[in-house]
Parts: sequence; structure tokens; C-alpha cells
Amino acid sequence: RKEVEQDPGPFNVPEGATVAFNCTYSNSASQSFFWYRQDCRKEPKLLMSVYSSGNEDGRFTAQLNRASQYISLLIRDSKLSDSATYLCVVNGDYKLSFGAGTTVTVRA
Amino acid sequence: EAQVTQNPRYLITVTGKKLTVTCSQNMNHEYMSWYRQDPGLGLRQIYYSMNVEVTDKGDVPEGYKVSRKEKRNFPLILESPSPNQTSLYFCASWRGDLFTYEQYFGPGTRLTVT
Repeated sequence: RKEVEQDPGPFNVPEGATVAFNCTYSNSASQSFFWYRQDCRKEPKLLMSVYSSGNEDGRFTAQLNRASQYISLLIRDSKLSDSATYLCVVNGDYKLSFGAGTTVTVRA
Repeated sequence: EAQVTQNPRYLITVTGKKLTVTCSQNMNHEYMSWYRQDPGLGLRQIYYSMNVEVTDKGDVPEGYKVSRKEKRNFPLILESPSPNQTSLYFCASWRGDLFTYEQYFGPGTRLTVT
């Protein structure tokens, strides 16, 4: 079983739509959770950390569910510039584990 | 400007010809790491370093070597490259506690081994 699993998508959504997707992780001892954004095989960049209580950054909302071992990302009012691959990242056992990514394409 | 640089950005080589990919960061970060990214597999850690002269294996260290003689530099060495090492490679650095802080990635090195 992979340590971090994501639905690869792609999620094709119109501008202004809301899109949400999840990521599951296998290590129940994980303490730190992140969403990174990657554009077209360029370097990943931190989008947001995910806190236990859930957190919001503008149009982006991240949630953590420890009981079911998943984190989620919701994007409201999608923009064309949100088109990217979103990587779920989880720490555990002194390393970071990356999901393979969920691709989101926002169309005009 | 705070950044992680990698060279070369693109490399095509032949099986068995030793190569080095350089990585340098100007943020005085203690931690550095190398990843490879392959379609459908996500980023997988090759090696990481917690400080000068301190390195450890990641998930896929076979066929790779690293060294950390200076804080800013963390080169990746392929002594005898093989076609299964064809991949996109990223170097990353971060400060402080092991994985609490944001990782900064280099622009990537696309390696093809024929």
C-alpha cells in the first residue's frame, strides 16, 4: 500500500466552480501535512500547511481527518491560474512522503 | 533572492558514464534532500542531509551517492547511470525542525540515460 494516495484526476472544472479532492495516508503517527502545487513538471511549491483544526487561505480550504487518515483540499471560485497538479505531502518516520498528485484543469 | 539552484537542467547521457548533478542553496538551511519524480509515482526521496557531513538514505538510494562538505551544496552523483535512472530530479532545502518547515525546491534536472 502506498504511504500517500491521491485520486490522479484530472478534474476538469469551469471557471468559478468549486472543486474538492482528498488524499489518504497510511501512517497514523504522521504529524505534519501539506499541500504543494506543481505546474507542468516544474518545481513543487508550498500551497499551504494543514492544521488539525482545518485552515483557510483565501479561496483554498484544507481539512484534516485523523480518524479516517485523510486530508482534503477545496478550491472555491476556481481561476484559470489554479490549473496545476496538487501534491499531498505527509511526514512520518523521519521523511516526507509525497502523493502522486491530483491534476486540476480550470477551463474558461 | 532566496533560491535553490541545480545544474545541469537537462542531461542526456549513456549507460555507465559517471555524472554529477549539483545543488546549491543560499538560505543557510540545515536540511537538504534529493528526490526523483516519475509518472504515477510521485516524488521519492533518494538521500537527505541534516547538516554538513551528515547524510542518510531515503526510499530509493540504490545507484546514487551524495556528499555534504559545505552547508550550501549537496551534489548527487551517479557513478554508473542506467536507463532506469531516467527521471526528473529535484533538490530541496529547508531549515530547522526536520519536516515542520516549508521545503524549497530547485528547478529540476531532467536526466535521460540511453
